[in-house]
Amino acid sequence: DTGVSQDPRHKITKRGQNVTFRCDPISEHNRLYWYRQTLGQGPEFLTYFQNEAQLEKSRLLSDRFSAERPKGSFSTLEIQRTEQGDSAMYLCASSLGDNNEQFFGPGTRLTVL
Amino acid sequence: GQNIDQPTEMTATEGAIVQINCTYQTSGFNGLFWYQQHAGEAPTFLSYNVLDGLEEKGRFSSFLSRSKGYSYLLLKELQMKDSASYLCAVRENSNSGYALNFGKGTSLLVTP
Repeated sequence: DTGVSQDPRHKITKRGQNVTFRCDPISEHNRLYWYRQTLGQGPEFLTYFQNEAQLEKSRLLSDRFSAERPKGSFSTLEIQRTEQGDSAMYLCASSLGDNNEQFFGPGTRLTVL
Repeated sequence: GQNIDQPTEMTATEGAIVQINCTYQTSGFNGLFWYQQHAGEAPTFLSYNVLDGLEEKGRFSSFLSRSKGYSYLLLKELQMKDSASYLCAVRENSNSGYALNFGKGTSLLVTP
């Protein structure tokens, strides 16, 4: 049973560095979501893809953040010039169709020193 | 946008029943989800309600009243492994997608 996978699981970086995370959704799922979660909070929506098209971005997604899903399969989330406030768990989720549940990956925990 | 409110913490005894409430305000309701999240792990799906009423799935049940903007998750025969955070999430009608808006979660502690 292959679920949503994310890589790396943990990332420690220094302020100002760039980082890139990868998400591999469940293979037949056409929808892919990125969320960010900080301690004691629920996940917050960042952006969403349907196949390779990025259809929605949250106001939380500043210009330092960029996401791609070039072939409609895996997705990458890049953060440029990281700040300490970017420290969080970055969760990826995928779903099939419009009204189905989202399956979450294990997340990438980012720590910015 | 929408506001989603749920209690921050709850404690219950093993074998008992606990009800976790969630209230929300939204302009275009398109479903309410409950997820379970153990510390350091990803959220896992528990239940989905889009119509009023009770959905039962084993030890877990979820209720929805759209007119009141209210849902609850009912956990029966509590087990120690049920200690986790329970996230209420609302999905809105959207032209471009169906992102979930989550509450802050209710941390449930099950004691012996």
